Amino acid sequence: NAGVTQTPKFRVLKTGQSMTLLCAQDMNHEYMYWYRQDPGMGLRLIHYSVGEGTTAKGEVPDGYNVSRLKKQNFLLGLESAAPSQTSVYFCASSEGVFNTEAFFGQGTRLTVV
Amino acid sequence: GDSVTQMEGPVTLSEEAFLTINCTYTATGYPSLFWYVQYPGEGLQLLLKATKADDKGSNKGFEATYRKETTSFHLEKGSVQVSDSAVYFCALSDPGTYKYIFGTGTRLKVLA
Repeated sequence: NAGVTQTPKFRVLKTGQSMTLLCAQDMNHEYMYWYRQDPGMGLRLIHYSVGEGTTAKGEVPDGYNVSRLKKQNFLLGLESAAPSQTSVYFCASSEGVFNTEAFFGQGTRLTVV
Repeated sequence: GDSVTQMEGPVTLSEEAFLTINCTYTATGYPSLFWYVQYPGEGLQLLLKATKADDKGSNKGFEATYRKETTSFHLEKGSVQVSDSAVYFCALSDPGTYKYIFGTGTRLKVLA
């Protein structure tokens, strides 16, 4: 009964390094989302996907790229990390936005030094 | 675009006090509305939802009513417990944009 699983849970990067965050869901959901959570800012949408092979930009997409090669996985990449990307990242999935909720992973705490 | 505004915290209450956290929204379509709760170090969990006007969502003693005329979805609980201490997020989903939009969150602290 895994639901939404994020890997890794914690990471420290140096400025300019790259990394990929992995989100996996086992609920056969079509829609997947990446958010970042910052103090006083709530959750802000980075990118989202409405199905395998599709991606779209959210509210704060700059500095991030995503891929949805398989329905169950949604990857978030940072090509050249900056201190402003220090945040907690959450992945979510849903079977649709009409009358249904999103299910969240446990989060990835990323620090860029 | 769509947006959610909720009262700023932190909110500090004594155990058994009445809780209200205000939430208003702006949306062009017919959104569904949600309250999520986040405990320290964890992800967001759905607390309750309402999918059309005048619907009341309820769970674990919490309630919220979808008020289209005032574009509001205020969270209430009659008697809070220490275990209710958490951050509460109001959110909407808009079928026209495929997105879930969240408020900034309200931290609740309940004292014994």
